[in-house]
Parts: sequence; C-alpha cells; structure tokens
Amino acid sequence: EAGVAQSPRYKIIEKRQSVAFWCNPISGHATLYWYQQILGQGPKLLIQFQNNGVVDDSQLPKDRFSAERLKGVDSTLKIQPAKLEDSAVYLCASSLAAPSRGADTQYFGPGTRLTVL
Amino acid sequence: GQNIDQPTEMTATEGAIVQINCTYQTSGFNGLFWYQQHAGEAPTFLSYNVLDGLEEKGRFSSFLSRSKGYSYLLLKELQMKDSASYLCAVMNTGFQKLVFGTGTRLLVSP
Repeated sequence: EAGVAQSPRYKIIEKRQSVAFWCNPISGHATLYWYQQILGQGPKLLIQFQNNGVVDDSQLPKDRFSAERLKGVDSTLKIQPAKLEDSAVYLCASSLAAPSRGADTQYFGPGTRLTVL
Repeated sequence: GQNIDQPTEMTATEGAIVQINCTYQTSGFNGLFWYQQHAGEAPTFLSYNVLDGLEEKGRFSSFLSRSKGYSYLLLKELQMKDSASYLCAVMNTGFQKLVFGTGTRLLVSP
C-alpha cells in the first residue's frame, strides 16, 4: 500500500514570496491533516479536513496561510507572503477515521522542508 | 488547555533498556500515541493506549495511567537504529485532534 506522498521535499524562498505544498493521502483515507514542525519541536496541527470539508483550522494563520482539499483527495497548502518564522517542515498526514469514530492512527508523509531567507 | 511534558534528551547504551516518560494534562482524552521520528524523516506510529495498563509490541512497550496523566515508552535490547526522537501525542475527544509533545531525543551509543 502506498504511503502519504508530498512534494516538493525541499523549498528555499525569500521572505514575502509565495509557496505551495502538495499532499496525496493514503487511498481511502477520509481525514487529512497539515502540521508545521519547527526544528526541535513536535508537530503542530495547522488544519484538518474531513473529506473536502474543514474540521479544524483554529491554529492556521489565515492572514497568510490557506489550504484546500478539492474532491476530497489531494490537498494543497499555500503560504503568501512567507515570513522568516515560517521556516519549518510541513507534514501531511491522513487517517481512516471520521470524527464520530474512536481514535485512529495518523500516517505521515515525508514532509516538505521550507527555508525562508 | 493542554500540556504535554517529556524529557528533551536521553542517552543509553546498545543492548540496554530505556524508559521515556510523558506526562499530560488535557480537558478531553481519547488516547495517547507514541511516534518515532528519525532525523529528517516523517514520524512513524509505534503504539496507542487508551486504557490503563501495558501494551507490548516486540522490543517496545507502552504504559498508560489515565488517573495520573502519565505514560511511558519502554525500549528493550537497544540498537543503534533506535537513535531517534520519540514523540508523545494526546488525542482529544471529538475531532481526532492530536497534540504532540516536543519529543525526546534518544542517543544510543555502542
């Protein structure tokens, strides 16, 4: 079974530029998550989708970050404009579970390492 | 709010046993996960506990005490490849939201 796919793996941009990340979850997984992981810290949830609807985006800086999951499969996360403090690894994860079910395991992609200069 | 605490760094010797502790405070609890993360790689699932007690899976075991807000990950017969960060994460009730600790970096030496 193929895992969570992400691209690009690495991206270097200058502050105030825009950047977009792509994620393809495990086939059949209804729930998709985007996390930000700053060096030396644990992942922090940015946004959670259930199919193509947003379940939780309370920690997404909406003035500069946006995400979509059209057709309930692939997802893109965009930053516009980027700041120095956005330098981090952006992880995508997916799980089978709908929110009404019990806890389900999240499977992570390899991440995109973003450096903002 | 939520608070998850785990040691920043631990060292151990190949072949030894190490216990990584995690304490948490949360308003709604739906289980605790342990993930392993090698440098530059994605977190990979190790274990899930929702009931009190010990879950054993090969060389790795995980323990949970809900009343104490406490969990540990026990690694036996340590190997060099076990050098990694170990992330404790608590799942809230409702929306499958995982909240991670900062991770414990384990260094296994020969």
